[in-house]
Amino acid sequence: EAGVVQSPRYKIIEKKQPVAFWCNPISGHNTLYWYLQNLGQGPELLIRYENEEAVDDSQLPKDRFSAERLKGVDSTLKIQPAELGDSAVYLCASSLGQGQIQYFGAGTRLSVL
Amino acid sequence: RKEVEQDPGPFNVPEGATVAFNCTYSNSASQSFFWYRQDCRKEPKLLMSVYSSGNEDGRFTAQLNRASQYISLLIRDSKLSDSATYLCVVRTGGATNKLIFGTGTLLAVQP
Repeated sequence: EAGVVQSPRYKIIEKKQPVAFWCNPISGHNTLYWYLQNLGQGPELLIRYENEEAVDDSQLPKDRFSAERLKGVDSTLKIQPAELGDSAVYLCASSLGQGQIQYFGAGTRLSVL
Repeated sequence: RKEVEQDPGPFNVPEGATVAFNCTYSNSASQSFFWYRQDCRKEPKLLMSVYSSGNEDGRFTAQLNRASQYISLLIRDSKLSDSATYLCVVRTGGATNKLIFGTGTLLAVQP
């Protein structure tokens, strides 16, 4: 069974440019999460979806970050415009439902120059 | 104070050694507890859940002390392949119901 798939694996952009990350969760997983992981830190939740509904986006910086999961399957996370401090690994995870085991994708490593 | 605190390490141990990691959490209403493993430049993967009665999986033993809000992971007979970052993770309860990760403890097993 395929795991959580994320693309791209690496992205280098200049500050003030837009960037988008894509995630395809494990088939049948209704809950999807986006996390931010800074160097030397644990992942921090940005947003959680139950199907197509964002049920917890309290940690998402809404001035520059946006996310969507239109059909309740794959999801995109966008940053516009990117800032130097956004350099980090963006992890996507999915689970069968809320409270179930979360499986992580390999992440997108973003470098903002 | 962080919600989940761990010693960042690194812990440098020889093969065959026993090593213990500790973790404390601040939210007494936390419901579930886990250890995740993260290899360098890889994604976190669930190592084991932690139960109040303590639980063991091969060379790995996890303990939970709810009264002290303390979680531990013991690795016996360390292998080179155990080298990784070990993340202590707590699930909050209630409406938020999300995973809170510690910063991780880096383990380096030396030949």
